[in-house]
Amino acid sequence: GDSVTQMEGPVTLSEEAFLTINCTYTATGYPSLFWYVQYPGEGLQLLLKATKADDKGSNKGFEATYRKETTSFHLEKGSVQVSDSAVYFCALTHNAGNMLTFGGGTRLMVKP
Amino acid sequence: GAGVSQSPSNKVTEKGKDVELRCDPISGHTALYWYRQSLGQGLEFLIYFQGNSAPDKSGLPSDRFSAERTGGSVSTLTIQRTQQEDSAVYLCASSFMPGIGTGELFFGEGSRLTVL
Repeated sequence: GDSVTQMEGPVTLSEEAFLTINCTYTATGYPSLFWYVQYPGEGLQLLLKATKADDKGSNKGFEATYRKETTSFHLEKGSVQVSDSAVYFCALTHNAGNMLTFGGGTRLMVKP
Repeated sequence: GAGVSQSPSNKVTEKGKDVELRCDPISGHTALYWYRQSLGQGLEFLIYFQGNSAPDKSGLPSDRFSAERTGGSVSTLTIQRTQQEDSAVYLCASSFMPGIGTGELFFGEGSRLTVL
């Protein structure tokens, strides 16, 4: 079956540091890939997505590129802010009713 | 409000009791999902409702878990004879036009269940 593996957290960075959160997946075919974010006290929300190989999803300064050859979808941001502190989830779907398979989540803590 | 609403936000219960968790999806969303988020774990799919179709119950961990969706809107997740391992945050999500498969789910803030 499908699975998503993320780097374990917490990831602790200083403000303006470069961020990478690794995500790899196991799935048949060509799933769509997503990053969701859960800010403290809020529900998960979609951050960005990519639906085919080599696509780059981007939003709020975050980027991730769909790499079919390495089955990866790593999340990056060039300069993190304290407000980026949250839990980040990588996910995939084969578009069958939008059912998503999620990774374990990575907590990011950004210090001023 | 305009978002997915879940209640209660927190529930503490004794082992062996039954609990009901409620989800009110975004109006007009035809698909509704329940996920479970255990401490240190990812999101575990439980059940999926789409319109009037039979629900996909493939993620329910045992027959103590059941869910229904009335009138294509509000859903209730019921856990009978709760066990300590049921302690988790139960997340509800809804989506629009799932046949297109955009992958965008709208989540509620969750119901935190603690079984003593």
